[in-house]
Amino acid sequence: KAGVTQTPRYLIKTRGQQVTLSCSPISGHRSVSWYQQTPGQGLQFLFEYFSETQRNKGNFPGRFSGRQFSNSRSEMNVSTLELGDSALYLCASSLAPGQGQGYTFGSGTRLTVV
Amino acid sequence: AQSVTQPDIHITVSEGASLELRCNYSYGATPYLFWYVQSPGQGLQLLLKYFSGDTLVQGIKGFEAEFKRSQSSFNLRKPSVHWSDAAEYFCAVDEDSGGGADGLTFGKGTHLIIQP
Repeated sequence: KAGVTQTPRYLIKTRGQQVTLSCSPISGHRSVSWYQQTPGQGLQFLFEYFSETQRNKGNFPGRFSGRQFSNSRSEMNVSTLELGDSALYLCASSLAPGQGQGYTFGSGTRLTVV
Repeated sequence: AQSVTQPDIHITVSEGASLELRCNYSYGATPYLFWYVQSPGQGLQLLLKYFSGDTLVQGIKGFEAEFKRSQSSFNLRKPSVHWSDAAEYFCAVDEDSGGGADGLTFGKGTHLIIQP
């Protein structure tokens, strides 16, 4: 059974550019969440999608957005990149939200903004 | 707002010794509780979870955790650590009961170092 797949694994972008990250959840999982991990702030919740609808969003500016497709795959987009957006972006999937099953995480996308 | 505290930023343990990593949470009800482990450059792997029932839960890799409601704690234990246990450990809380919440709330993590 394939795990959560995130692409690309590594990305280098220039300040001001935009970036799109992709996440394919475990087959059958319909909930996808995104997290940002930095040394200073730790792991912070970005947003969660379920059945193509955003359920909730963390405390991040509007430059951070996402979507989910009918096959549950999800993308997140960051526009007008800033140096502080450099981080490991983690995607997690679960069967459905709010059932205490826990989330399975992907290996992450390491974004470096220069 | 809910919060998770992992008081120990670093812990050094000799190989073969026992381990306990501390986790305290702040939340009005009993949330779902998790421990995750992260190796360098990797994602998070779920070690174990608690959401109801027996307060002592068993996980993978020989880990266990005990939920203590009176202390709002969910400490992770292992009777004998192996060099391969060296990693970052995160305690997390999910207060979502289906009505929507702000995802998982993580502690800052505990970096585990294993001495030979």
